[in-house]
Amino acid sequence: SQKIEQNSEALNIQEGKTATLTCNYTNYSPAYLQWYRQDPGRGPVFLLLIRENEKEKRKERLKVTFDTTLKQSLFHITASQPADSATYLCALGSTAGNTGKLIFGQGTTLQVKP
Amino acid sequence: AAGVIQSPRHLIKEKRETATLKCYPIPRHDTVYWYQQGPGQDPQFLISFYEKMQSDKGSIPDRFSAQQFSDYHSELNMSSLELGDSALYFCASSFGGEGEKLFFGSGTQLSVL
Repeated sequence: SQKIEQNSEALNIQEGKTATLTCNYTNYSPAYLQWYRQDPGRGPVFLLLIRENEKEKRKERLKVTFDTTLKQSLFHITASQPADSATYLCALGSTAGNTGKLIFGQGTTLQVKP
Repeated sequence: AAGVIQSPRHLIKEKRETATLKCYPIPRHDTVYWYQQGPGQDPQFLISFYEKMQSDKGSIPDRFSAQQFSDYHSELNMSSLELGDSALYFCASSFGGEGEKLFFGSGTQLSVL
């Protein structure tokens, strides 16, 4: 069955360091992969989308890589700040039927300490 | 900028009661998605609508139904509520039906007692 795995344990890093979050998937051929940020009790907020034919994408302090051979995406936050503390979800979409159904991973909680 | 609006924000119901959740997408967005998120869980896809037609269905119980209206707002109707239905229900919208760049509402917290 289709499966998405993210770092199950919380990631604790020091302010100013680079946070790296991992998203692995199996039995899936996504047309694109998305990263969302979720704060407690709030809806996910879209951060970045990377397509299957793209290797890397950047937006300000964020960088996403997508390796369809390894079936893995890495999400980096450089110069991390305490305000970056949140849960980060990866989500996969498929071109199958173009229905827009997104499957989310369970998320990784990031804690940036001052 | 206008965001996705969900109502109510909180809802408390008894077992076997019915509930209706409403979602107003961002103007000009033609696709609406419903997700259910239990405590500490990832959002689970329930159902989506593109241009007022159901476009995909996920793990939505038969007791639940949804529709998208002519003004693109959507309603999720839940009947014969069970304790296990207690969760945060999110609506999201996007432009185009391919699931790219979803904008989520603040959610409806449903508690079934």
